[in-house]
Amino acid sequence: GQQVMQIPQYQHVQEGEDFTTYCNSSTTLSNIQWYKQRPGGHPVFLIQLVKSGEVKKQKRLTFQFGEAKKNSSLHITATQTTDVGTYFCAGGVGSNFGNEKLTFGTGTRLTIIP
Amino acid sequence: KAGVTQTPRYLIKTRGQQVTLSCSPISGHRSVSWYQQTPGQGLQFLFEYFSETQRNKGNFPGRFSGRQFSNSRSEMNVSTLELGDSALYLCASSLEARSPNTEAFFGQGTRLTVV
Repeated sequence: GQQVMQIPQYQHVQEGEDFTTYCNSSTTLSNIQWYKQRPGGHPVFLIQLVKSGEVKKQKRLTFQFGEAKKNSSLHITATQTTDVGTYFCAGGVGSNFGNEKLTFGTGTRLTIIP
Repeated sequence: KAGVTQTPRYLIKTRGQQVTLSCSPISGHRSVSWYQQTPGQGLQFLFEYFSETQRNKGNFPGRFSGRQFSNSRSEMNVSTLELGDSALYLCASSLEARSPNTEAFFGQGTRLTVV
């Protein structure tokens, strides 16, 4: 079945440093979504990318969708303590019913050292 | 607009028992998905319902089942509970289940502990 892997599994960075998490799918995706889950919380939608090679920015966050639509990355510039949490990518794949299902990546847990 | 509501928030059950979890999606959302989250396995997809029909199913044993009602509320049931079923069960609703995916809104989850 389809698999979505994320690396690294854990990342500890000094406050102010940059952070990147990578997402790789075993199959071509129709779209990719990114979610953030704060400790003790639930996943919250950040963004969706649909086009090959698409790049989107949200303040210090930059999201990229690969040309082959099989990989994606999330880059945070100058991390802050509020960035703490687990970041999940979720790939959309067509199913037999003509709709799509989301397959979540394994997540990258980011901790910030003040 | 009220968010996704899951009940109960916490639950303790003993092995062999069964449990039913409930999820009320955001008003107007017709797609409801269920996920199991454990520290070691991340977010594992259980199943998705749309207009009372199961559209997608993950790789979980038949002890895990679900259903969706005409008002889009959904329930999931786990029978013959095992210790390994201890997890956070998350429900997510979205407007549509058709391509391309729309944003999924998650509930707070139900923390199930099996002893």
